[in-house]
Amino acid sequence: GAGVSQSPRYKVAKRGQDVALRCDPISGHVSLFWYQQALGQGPEFLTYFQNEAQLDKSGLPSDRFFAERPEGSVSTLKIQRTQQEDSAVYLCASSRGGWGEKLFFGSGTQLSVL
Amino acid sequence: AQKVTQAQTEISVVEKEDVTLDCVYETRDTTYYLFWYKQPPSGELVFLIRRNSFDEQNEISGRYSWNFQKSTSSFNFTITASQVVDSAVYFCALSDATMEYGNKLVFGAGTILRVKS
Repeated sequence: GAGVSQSPRYKVAKRGQDVALRCDPISGHVSLFWYQQALGQGPEFLTYFQNEAQLDKSGLPSDRFFAERPEGSVSTLKIQRTQQEDSAVYLCASSRGGWGEKLFFGSGTQLSVL
Repeated sequence: AQKVTQAQTEISVVEKEDVTLDCVYETRDTTYYLFWYKQPPSGELVFLIRRNSFDEQNEISGRYSWNFQKSTSSFNFTITASQVVDSAVYFCALSDATMEYGNKLVFGAGTILRVKS
């Protein structure tokens, strides 16, 4: 596609519910990133994929967070047993993967946990 | 650890005024990249500029200009003759340039720019 696409745009979950957030990167982009953006803050790194390999998951806040990119294109971020502190905008970004390449971001999924 | 500080939380200007957004960074790396992104109300971060640590030349692109000074670890962004459409949140970001980390970005907290007509 022309840009990074994320769905759903908005998600409301009850505390304890599992959610899945989808990211369609730009076609051909090797690198894919997930970021979490709390209200009034800058994005914070969650995890990084190079093709289908998850090379860095140091930013995932707990073992309730899980990400996958099985075929090296579409990625899913799953949050199990959601908590109120998980409420944030989840941004996906992709890049060609080269040294210093700029990241292209999607519009994000705004997750509200009630 | 890498860190980016944007001390200005919010700036309000009147249209046609010039405005400078400050960015100070910390890194132990000798090789790194700096970025500025714009986040309009739609939420998508829009790339504005990238600068690597070896290139201290200032850059101008239309009404936008950037001043990179390694001596003070700053990468400031100036908008000349601001317009209402410039209203957005602006983020400065730092990346180490090692392939191992795949260009992971560390963002500042952002500066909200409001341009009034």
